[in-house]
Amino acid sequence: DAKTTQPNSMESNEEEPVHLPCNHSTISGTDYIHWYRQLPSQGPEYVIHGLTSNVNNRMASLAIAEDRKSSTLILHRATLRDAAVYYCILRRPSGSARQLTFGSGTQLTVLP
Amino acid sequence: DAGVTQSPTHLIKTRGQQVTLRCSPKSGHDTVSWYQQALGQGPQFIFQYYEEEERQRGNFPDRFSGHQFPNYSSELNVNALLLGDSALYLCASSLLDPYNEQFFGPGTRLTVL
Repeated sequence: DAKTTQPNSMESNEEEPVHLPCNHSTISGTDYIHWYRQLPSQGPEYVIHGLTSNVNNRMASLAIAEDRKSSTLILHRATLRDAAVYYCILRRPSGSARQLTFGSGTQLTVLP
Repeated sequence: DAGVTQSPTHLIKTRGQQVTLRCSPKSGHDTVSWYQQALGQGPQFIFQYYEEEERQRGNFPDRFSGHQFPNYSSELNVNALLLGDSALYLCASSLLDPYNEQFFGPGTRLTVL
C-alpha cells in the first residue's frame, strides 16, 4: 500500500487558517485521499476525501497537487476545538480499501 | 440518532485472562470494524465484519476474534491477554462500500496488568 508522510506536529493561532500537508509520492492513480482527525479522548472522525479535484465541505478544504503526490488539508479559521491529531490516509479500490491504514498523523495545537 | 456506542468504557484485566468488548453500530450501518490504538500511535486495523462474517483481517494473532450479531452489533474477544494488549480499542461502523465514511465510537480502554 502507498504510504503517507506528515509532520509530527504543527501549531496555529486561533482564528487563523491552517494548512496541514501530506506527502504521498507513491500514490496510485485510483487511490483516494482521506483525512480523519482524532480529538482528545475520542475516536477518529471523518473530515474530507478526494481523488483529483480540490474538495470543500463544512469542516475543511482539501487541495490536491496536480501530480497527486501531495495534498493539503485546509482549516479556514482554526478554533480551539480543532486541536487534534490529523491523519492523511490513502484508500485503494480493492478489498483492502475496507480498512483505514493510519500513520502517526500530525498533532495540531491551536493557541488562543 | 445515537452514534456508535461501545462498552465498557474502561477495563482492567490480568495477563492470561480473556476479555470481551462490545459495539453497537450507528443506526442504518451494517458493517463493523475494530481497531487497536496503542498510546501515542495511530489506530491499527484488527478486522471487519459484514453479514455476520469476518470479511477482512489485519495483522493480528488468532487470540483476537470477533462476532457480529443479526442486529449488526459486534463483539471483540481477546484470549490469553498479554501486557502488550493494553490499548484503546475502537469500533467503527459504516456501510459495506469500502469508500464509505467510517464512524468511530469513543473506544474501550483496556489495561492488562
